[in-house]
Amino acid sequence: SQQGEEDPQALSIQEGENATMNCSYKTSINNLQWYRQNSGRGLVHLILIRSNEREKHSGRLRVTLDTSKKSSSLLITASRAADTASYFCATATGRGGADGLTFGKGTHLIIQP
Amino acid sequence: DGGITQSPKYLFRKEGQNVTLSCEQNLNHDAMYWYRQDPGQGLRLIYYSQIVNDFQKGDIAEGYSVSREKKESFPLTVTSAQKNPTAFYLCASSIRPGVGYNEQFFGPGTRLTVL
Repeated sequence: SQQGEEDPQALSIQEGENATMNCSYKTSINNLQWYRQNSGRGLVHLILIRSNEREKHSGRLRVTLDTSKKSSSLLITASRAADTASYFCATATGRGGADGLTFGKGTHLIIQP
Repeated sequence: DGGITQSPKYLFRKEGQNVTLSCEQNLNHDAMYWYRQDPGQGLRLIYYSQIVNDFQKGDIAEGYSVSREKKESFPLTVTSAQKNPTAFYLCASSIRPGVGYNEQFFGPGTRLTVL
């Protein structure tokens, strides 16, 4: 079953604008991770936030986690054409994800030049 | 040049045939994973292995088999029992299961089409 559900399913913005994607999940987690996938390629890890953290930054990325609402958001600031990709949240339950991650269906982001 | 390699990139097979997808990593990671991705969908876990000679079923293991005879290698066999095998298959690894919070590193994927 899908643990995470991203919202929106698709997002199209102009280059330079900020992009926000949301993820909701159902059960308690150990950590939540965001990945990027370019069309037809493997996934690339972006950022990991632990269940006891509320916000994390990495370059132009900002992730928040609200465990009371079972939700997370990914903000990409000052978007670039190269940010065009699908973005997935993935949750890890027991043992930090050693038993595999549970992925949502993803948000397809299009950055228009 | 460290990383995860998957071969082949594209694979075609006839209905009723078994086929094996290769996954090799030189990252010295202990854990390896196989996921399946269907169009417009997220990834679903097929099998995972946290140590050599041991592996566990994921959410959709039926019709698949794996082996983990070497730390570097985790091949996936798609058997004729898999009802709908056409999909994009992704292999991943992580450094050490159960210790800390582990990100996963993904290979480029194999696109399997059953004719």
